[in-house]
Amino acid sequence: DAGVIQSPRHEVTEMGQEVTLRCKPISGHNSLFWYRQTMMRGLELLIYFNNNVPIDDSGMPEDRFSAKMPNASFSTLKIQPSEPRDSAVYFCASSPSVGQGELFFGSGTQLSVL
Amino acid sequence: AQSVAQPEDQVNVAEGNPLTVKCTYSVSGNPYLFWYVQYPNRGLQFLLKYITGDNLVKGSYGFEAEFNKSQTSFHLKKPSALVSDSALYFCAVRDDGGGFKTIFGAGTRLFVKA
Repeated sequence: DAGVIQSPRHEVTEMGQEVTLRCKPISGHNSLFWYRQTMMRGLELLIYFNNNVPIDDSGMPEDRFSAKMPNASFSTLKIQPSEPRDSAVYFCASSPSVGQGELFFGSGTQLSVL
Repeated sequence: AQSVAQPEDQVNVAEGNPLTVKCTYSVSGNPYLFWYVQYPNRGLQFLLKYITGDNLVKGSYGFEAEFNKSQTSFHLKKPSALVSDSALYFCAVRDDGGGFKTIFGAGTRLFVKA
């Protein structure tokens, strides 16, 4: 298996622009997580899905952030409009089993908002 | 609410010496505990987990961790450190009654000197 695939690896955009990050989880995994990593705040859980249904989005910082999982093999995280403080590394992770499973992380998207 | 504390920002150890990276946790139910490692510009990689059973858990690359319920700790250990172990280490916790939400500690940077 190719692992969790995220795209793009790097994104540079200007303040106010829409940004869409993409994630393909490992086939057969039924849970998907979006995390954000910064030096100041560490790893923050933004939202997670189970069987394509959003379970907890309490970590989504503002209404500018939205996430979807239209099917078991694809998820997006959208920021509209983007701001410089959104600059971070965004990780997607998937998990194979309910509750007890470890997370498998993608390589992340480095987002820079100028 | 669940939480994880890693009290040390950095741990320095000489190659060949034993290492310990500390972690304490707080959950309302029974904990599922995890350790992950992150190398530069990479996603997190799973090392080991405690779900139930033996308090000493063995994982990848010679690492092990000891679960201590009374001290609510899950310290990561290795008998003999390698320079290649130098990386960022994260402790994570999931509450068995709280769904699939996995919360990470702030991370501890391990530096192994040759």
